[in-house]
Amino acid sequence: ETGVTQSPTHLIKTRGQQVTLRCSSQSGHNTVSWYQQALGQGPQFIFQYYREEENGRGNFPPRFSGLQFPNYSSELNVNALELDDSALYLCASSFPGTSGGASTDTQYFGPGTRLTVL
Amino acid sequence: AQTVTQSQPEMSVQEAETVTLSCTYDTSENNYYLFWYKQPPSRQMILVIRQEAYKQQNATENRFSVNFQKAAKSFSLKISDSQLGDTAMYFCAFMKLYNTDKLIFGTGTRLQVFP
Repeated sequence: ETGVTQSPTHLIKTRGQQVTLRCSSQSGHNTVSWYQQALGQGPQFIFQYYREEENGRGNFPPRFSGLQFPNYSSELNVNALELDDSALYLCASSFPGTSGGASTDTQYFGPGTRLTVL
Repeated sequence: AQTVTQSQPEMSVQEAETVTLSCTYDTSENNYYLFWYKQPPSRQMILVIRQEAYKQQNATENRFSVNFQKAAKSFSLKISDSQLGDTAMYFCAFMKLYNTDKLIFGTGTRLQVFP
């Protein structure tokens, strides 16, 4: 167990709807990254939040947006859902550093939210 | 742009035997991390091992060890004394040092451990 939690576990939506996924980071971590994992693929980076600001974004359209709260938990919002948005959504928390310590920068993942768009 | 390639879609090994999973990557960076993550059927991505590119010594974690060849851009994972619980998808991943906005994953290797 990593201490990273995600909710809900499963979600079914219809095309055109909006969805919000939630992530609580591991204690002591101030950075949250979101990934989309399509069936049979490796995860693809969506974006990262560091101290409540977006800190990098992958090749995803603006209808994918996020927030990070003062307690470092995070939300992923997807508007105008499309069938191809069906995937496992993973969040990962980390503590960035320049000291090269054993655990800095390593991303620890939550159990994921399985989103199905019909 | 960085890429990560895992050329073995599936591997199998008998319990207690040793298996090696391959990973190659392409980057022009000199400082970076490499990771192996395990994803069992429960879906949770679990860190197996991490290697810093500036360290010459190969990382080890109990039964898991890596063979890091920086010049060849190769990063293989060796699992010794395989156990049934090692059955999972294994992903190799790359991250630039000090610009840790994202992990770049390979497509994964599905490992089946047989009794």
